[in-house]
Amino acid sequence: GQQLNQSPQSMFIQEGEDVSMNCTSSSIFNTWLWYKQDPGEGPVLLIALYKAGELTSNGRLTAQFGITRKDSFLNISASIPSDVGIYFCAGHNNNDMRFGAGTRLTVKP
Amino acid sequence: SAVISQKPSRDICQRGTSLTIQCQVDSQVTMMFWYRQQPGQSLTLIATANQGSEATYESGFVIDKFPISRPNLTFSTLTVSNMSPEDSSIYLCSPRSYNEQFFGPGTRLTVL
Repeated sequence: GQQLNQSPQSMFIQEGEDVSMNCTSSSIFNTWLWYKQDPGEGPVLLIALYKAGELTSNGRLTAQFGITRKDSFLNISASIPSDVGIYFCAGHNNNDMRFGAGTRLTVKP
Repeated sequence: SAVISQKPSRDICQRGTSLTIQCQVDSQVTMMFWYRQQPGQSLTLIATANQGSEATYESGFVIDKFPISRPNLTFSTLTVSNMSPEDSSIYLCSPRSYNEQFFGPGTRLTVL
């Protein structure tokens, strides 16, 4: 389906730095999801958000469901080398699921 | 989250042949999706596999090229028919449970 606008496309950071990425859409969604994909693997669900304004953490990861229901962000604090991978956002509404193009994260030790 | 397995995990195939990819889920799921992903790219939806009826295909994908089976709520197959090098990609099954969607580990296909 039609993709969401995910940015940035890629990030190169030093270990220990914080990371922020976001997704926007012209449509509203009832659920926002964030995935991480390691090389050679399928995407793994990191965080699911169900309510506008919701802020959810999973370890060093924090994600928020935008109040307008048209955007979401994901923050990673104190990055480590194993955070390397591609991060995808997804918005879900009824039977419609749309994905962002992904943010490729590189962490330099 | 669901436990999802795909077979084969990877294959190298000759042009003109067909490959059937199997997806097994450890729980019953209403909706099952098949995606294609070029290396380093995002996910492209091929079709929605419906139990008891024909799959619903996205624009650019047709049943003759990508026949799908969904005999029950825990299993599905995708066949890549009459393969060409352009079909080289990663193929992922993706079951959806309510408003959360999960992914299989993927099948990496190389067509020579």
